[in-house]
Amino acid sequence: QSALTQPASVSGSPGQSITISCTGSSSDVGNYNYVSWYQHHPGKAPKLMIYDVSKWPSGVSNRFSGSKSGNTASLTISGLQAEDEADYYCSSYTSSSTLMFGGGTKLTVL
Amino acid sequence: QVQLQESGPGLVKPSETLSLTCSVSGYSISSGYYWGWVRQPPGRGLEWIGYVSHSGSTYYSPSLKSRVTISVDTSKNQFSLRLSSVTAADTAVYYCARGPLTYRDYWGQGTLVTVSS
Repeated sequence: QSALTQPASVSGSPGQSITISCTGSSSDVGNYNYVSWYQHHPGKAPKLMIYDVSKWPSGVSNRFSGSKSGNTASLTISGLQAEDEADYYCSSYTSSSTLMFGGGTKLTVL
Repeated sequence: QVQLQESGPGLVKPSETLSLTCSVSGYSISSGYYWGWVRQPPGRGLEWIGYVSHSGSTYYSPSLKSRVTISVDTSKNQFSLRLSSVTAADTAVYYCARGPLTYRDYWGQGTLVTVSS
């Protein structure tokens, strides 16, 4: 059971938009609308940003949006802000009734 | 507000068993959801370990299944992780977290466990 594939790093300037991809297989991302995204600042607890591909938990900014096409899910952050700089992880429910995380993407706000 | 707090030894010897407890406040475990553990080795990404339902049904990562036990104590509103036969590769920050089967919505702050003699 390999981790979902994410780019190691992405960057953008304040105000711009960036997209982070998350590629799995037909056993996870491609078969279920159960992709979630987490923001993780080092030393702090991960924070749920998106669940069920594109839903927002209470209190999360709508600058964060999620989508999915086939075996690849995406997280888009619009209007980049300095506080968005963090590590981002995708996760998917799998056909084995387990959860799987991506390898993580470091977002740098230039 | 739901809060989770991990506790347990920060240092475990190789070949021994790692034991952690997660204390939950602001929500009764017996009311539902799945309660589980995620870890992050130094310099690496998040790894899902497993979870337990409020009724005791368990789901584990295939790569750790032979060494992991997650259990729930509804009387204390706590749940626990036991990982046997640990090696240096099990050194990580361990997070407890709540959620439905498909995602984790509340997380603890994490606790560092180092495996070393």
